[in-house]
Amino acid sequence: GAVVSQHPSWVICKSGTSVKIECRSLDFQATTMFWYRQFPKQSLMLMATSNEGSKATYEQGVEKDKFLINHASLTLSTLTVTSAHPEDSSFYICSASRSYSGNTIYFGEGSWLTVV
Amino acid sequence: AQRVTQPEKLLSVFKGAPVELKCNYSYSGSPELFWYVQYSRQRLQLLLRHISRESIKGFTADLNKGETSFHLKKPFAQEEDSAMYYCALSRNQGGKLIFGQGTELSVKP
Repeated sequence: GAVVSQHPSWVICKSGTSVKIECRSLDFQATTMFWYRQFPKQSLMLMATSNEGSKATYEQGVEKDKFLINHASLTLSTLTVTSAHPEDSSFYICSASRSYSGNTIYFGEGSWLTVV
Repeated sequence: AQRVTQPEKLLSVFKGAPVELKCNYSYSGSPELFWYVQYSRQRLQLLLRHISRESIKGFTADLNKGETSFHLKKPFAQEEDSAMYYCALSRNQGGKLIFGQGTELSVKP
């Protein structure tokens, strides 16, 4: 079946540095991917919609200069957390929609970010 | 405003007991509704979508537009059903989902 993969699965970075998380659709092309943030035992909150070849669309309250999203190809979207702070520590999940299978949405395995 | 509400944070039942995880939504148009499950240390997986009207792993969910609900039911819970369950709403066919707060289902032996 279709697979969405994220890398890295977990990352620890120092406060003030930037960290990049990749989201790949392994066996299908995804013109649109989505980035979510999830705190432990809480719901997923949509951060932004990543559009291939154009700017991402951010949800209200999400700082676009802090969470940079690039969707350079039909199989790759990246989320860069810039100048990370401890409060950015969270579980980041991406998803992609496979349009020709009834818009089935596939989720990545998630990436744990810890900022120390 | 579009919203998905799961009133129960934790639902604990014994094996073999019936289970109902509640989900209510608010949406002005015709929503597409889903149930997703997240087992411990695994990725989110699609369990059900209302347009399919199917039963997966013994779970069913019926969209009640009058009550704006999409409750998830299973007549006999199994220990392996223990997981986080999320109700979600899609505003269009583009894949953007609005999630409920999630309900942790714990099935005790």
